[in-house]
Amino acid sequence: DQQVKQNSPSLSVQEGRISILNCDYTNSMFDYFLWYKKYPAEGPTFLISISSIKDKNEDGRFTVFLNKSAKHLSLHIVPSQPGDSAVYFCAARDYHRDDKIIFGKGTRLHILP
Amino acid sequence: DVKVTQSSRYLVKRTGEKVFLECVQDMDHENMFWYRQDPGLGLRLIYFSYDVKMKEKGDIPEGYSVSREKKERFSLILESASTNQTSMYLCASRLGKTSYEQYFGPGTRLTVT
Repeated sequence: DQQVKQNSPSLSVQEGRISILNCDYTNSMFDYFLWYKKYPAEGPTFLISISSIKDKNEDGRFTVFLNKSAKHLSLHIVPSQPGDSAVYFCAARDYHRDDKIIFGKGTRLHILP
Repeated sequence: DVKVTQSSRYLVKRTGEKVFLECVQDMDHENMFWYRQDPGLGLRLIYFSYDVKMKEKGDIPEGYSVSREKKERFSLILESASTNQTSMYLCASRLGKTSYEQYFGPGTRLTVT
């Protein structure tokens, strides 16, 4: 059973516009949520996180929003740049299961010139 | 800067061979993880280790084993490689259980023929 769901396998956005990547989860025991970015032939790199006690966290062009009642989070990238083209993984920490990190399947973001 | 290195970027092995994938981290992290990444399936946890000599099964441990004799090194072993183990293998480390950010190595692309 998939606990972290990224329902859009891919997304195309014009350069300079806003990219919004979505993620849904089912387990209310998750206490931290993370976004990772992955380029081809490289390992994922940590991008931004949010604690379950917050509803927003911002870091430069990247903002993550958390809606606990809807069990939904989103990553906003403004403005989108060509270097943002990558696969983005949503992940959550389950503190009831030895603090394991559960990953979604990823969304491939294409930034169009 | 945390550095996680993996012994090979690309590996080609024959069915039935024993395969060793090595991972080394240089930041004295307690926790280490092995994932595989497959198209459409995201990152799936194979095994993890919270300390030296300790190991725990992840979500897909069948056909794999691990070894952690030293804190900085975590090895993934394919006892008898099969074609369905062709995948991208990613190693990650984390400071400790209360941390959430994982640092990934560059990955090993394993092809079993």
